[in-house]
Amino acid sequence: NAGVTQTPKFQVLKTGQSMTLQCAQDMNHEYMSWYRQDPGMGLRLIHYSVGAGITDQGEVPNGYNVSRSTTEDFPLRLLSAAPSQTSVYFCASSYRTGSTEAFFGQGTRLTVV
Amino acid sequence: DAKTTQPPSMDCAEGRAANLPCNHSTISGNEYVYWYRQIHSQGPQYIIHGLKNNETNEMASLIITEDRKSSTLILPHATLRDTAVYYCIVNSGGYQKVTFGTGTKLQVIP
Repeated sequence: NAGVTQTPKFQVLKTGQSMTLQCAQDMNHEYMSWYRQDPGMGLRLIHYSVGAGITDQGEVPNGYNVSRSTTEDFPLRLLSAAPSQTSVYFCASSYRTGSTEAFFGQGTRLTVV
Repeated sequence: DAKTTQPPSMDCAEGRAANLPCNHSTISGNEYVYWYRQIHSQGPQYIIHGLKNNETNEMASLIITEDRKSSTLILPHATLRDTAVYYCIVNSGGYQKVTFGTGTKLQVIP
């Protein structure tokens, strides 16, 4: 099993550019989510999805869009990158309910200049 | 989901037990206590979770007080590879809106 796979691992963007961070899981998990982690801080929830076609906002959704067309994939789109979006982004997946653990990807390190 | 309070940092001698406390005084009856750790800014890794009873697995033990308002993660024989940030989270399951705090930075000292 590959688990949760994030691509790319590193990315540098110029202010105003757009890009999509990819996240895929092969565990048939219903629930997927995106977090960002700024230096010295914990993870903050950006968006999450409880199943294909269903998404919702987390704690810090502004500047990001998501969609969930399949169970496996949950891409995160930055429409117009800003320096404040420089961060490490983590994708996670889990079963939807029950006392279940979350599995995290290895992160995408994004720098916006 | 209930909030948690953890000390910002702790040291532990290599080979000794590391006891990481967590306060979750507003936990509700259907919420579990989860522990994760994050090594060198990698993705967080699940360690253990519990509801009421103490739990043990190959990585750690989780001790939950009878009133469930606090818990302790125990790494029985800490190694240098256990140096990481440890997060205590309470959640009713499914991770719909889990927020990670800043955790406890554990430094294992040779």
